[in-house]
Amino acid sequence: DADVTQTPRNRITKTGKRIMLECSQTKGHDRMYWYRQDPGLGLRLIYYSFDVKDINKGEISDGYSVSRQAQAKFSLSLESAIPNQTALYFCATSDPGVGTEAFFGQGTRLTVV
Amino acid sequence: QQQVKQSPQSLIVQKGGISIINCAYENTAFDYFPWYQQFPGKGPALLIAIRPDVSEKKEGRFTISFNKSAKQFSLHIMDSQPGDSATYFCAASNPYPSGSARQLTFGSGTQLTVLP
Repeated sequence: DADVTQTPRNRITKTGKRIMLECSQTKGHDRMYWYRQDPGLGLRLIYYSFDVKDINKGEISDGYSVSRQAQAKFSLSLESAIPNQTALYFCATSDPGVGTEAFFGQGTRLTVV
Repeated sequence: QQQVKQSPQSLIVQKGGISIINCAYENTAFDYFPWYQQFPGKGPALLIAIRPDVSEKKEGRFTISFNKSAKQFSLHIMDSQPGDSATYFCAASNPYPSGSARQLTFGSGTQLTVLP
């Protein structure tokens, strides 16, 4: 089983709909992240959480919200999806400290039509 | 504001050749520079990383060269193989004033194709 699991893997939704992307991890890490990948733009940080009680905005948080339900679960919501939120979304986890590896899930490809 | 600039966007190399991907950064507070490799349908995975106190790090066919004064670092893939075909991301991270917040800033990615 994957250490970082994202569901769904693919989703097509309509403009204006609310959608939730889910992430669960078995790494035992406190830190979890949501990134968005677009061609030519790399990976951009949407939100991050250092523990259940700590949620922080990243570089591109507008239009998104998150919930850290437990140490192992971190979900990303699009309250009212728009076409320019069509992208590949990744959840990641890491340990604290310098030089620690980020472990990524396999991604969720979201298309907003 | 793009803090880590990566080039080229795409690269085609013959099998056995050397692949070179370059990154430049602006924030002198960055103190950790990893490279991530991503295969189609997969999430990025750590390939190799370097701290700024060394100028080079080698792991097998993969080498990071680091130039602190120029604020540049590069990935060299020696004897490139078709199995190396993937997207490569450079990244950088820095400590935040709180001491606990450390994030990765990624480059825009390079799609490498190694021809057989």
